[in-house]
Amino acid sequence: DTGVSQDPRHKITKRGQNVTFRCDPISEHNRLYWYRQTLGQGPEFLTYFQNEAQLEKSRLLSDRFSAERPKGSFSTLEIQRTEQGDSAMYLCASSLPVDEQFFGPGTRLTVL
Amino acid sequence: AQSVTQPDIHITVSEGASLELRCNYSYGATPYLFWYVQSPGQGLQLLLKYFSGDTLVQGIKGFEAEFKRSQSSFNLRKPSVHWSDAAEYFCAVVPYINDYKLSFGAGTTVTVRA
Repeated sequence: DTGVSQDPRHKITKRGQNVTFRCDPISEHNRLYWYRQTLGQGPEFLTYFQNEAQLEKSRLLSDRFSAERPKGSFSTLEIQRTEQGDSAMYLCASSLPVDEQFFGPGTRLTVL
Repeated sequence: AQSVTQPDIHITVSEGASLELRCNYSYGATPYLFWYVQSPGQGLQLLLKYFSGDTLVQGIKGFEAEFKRSQSSFNLRKPSVHWSDAAEYFCAVVPYINDYKLSFGAGTTVTVRA
């Protein structure tokens, strides 16, 4: 296992389009997290899964955002009707309970 | 408000010189503390972490950090910087034992000059 992977690495889309990102965590990790990082800022928490259950969503996650983790393995983050303010780096991380989080390389989203 | 503060936005240091990056947090209890490094185009890599015990923790790449409860600080140090240490450094906390969300500071960009 080589770590957390994310796909795509870069996504350019037009305002109003839908986009979906994928995260593959480290296989034995039951916890999975999504963060968003804008330029010049640290990452901000978006949502958290324990196995397949989504246990918390940040207020940053508007109704246009939805995340899933079917079968407790990979996760997807979908943004509907993208806006220019959604442009950011979307980071996925995974961990074991009460342990460090391992981050993927991120998906950089640009909304034109 | 609860927060993580990294007072220095940008630090420039000569290769071979020492480096210290500051981090302060404002949480009631002692949180779990982390330092991550992010190089251009790369994900976040954990340098070191503090959960409990010895307040001076050693990490990878020659970094160390000291937890000072009285100052609510967790400063990162390296005795001799290499050009490859140029990157952005983030301090992060998990505020409570049963929590899991990382709260990050805004980061410090380190430039290394020859």
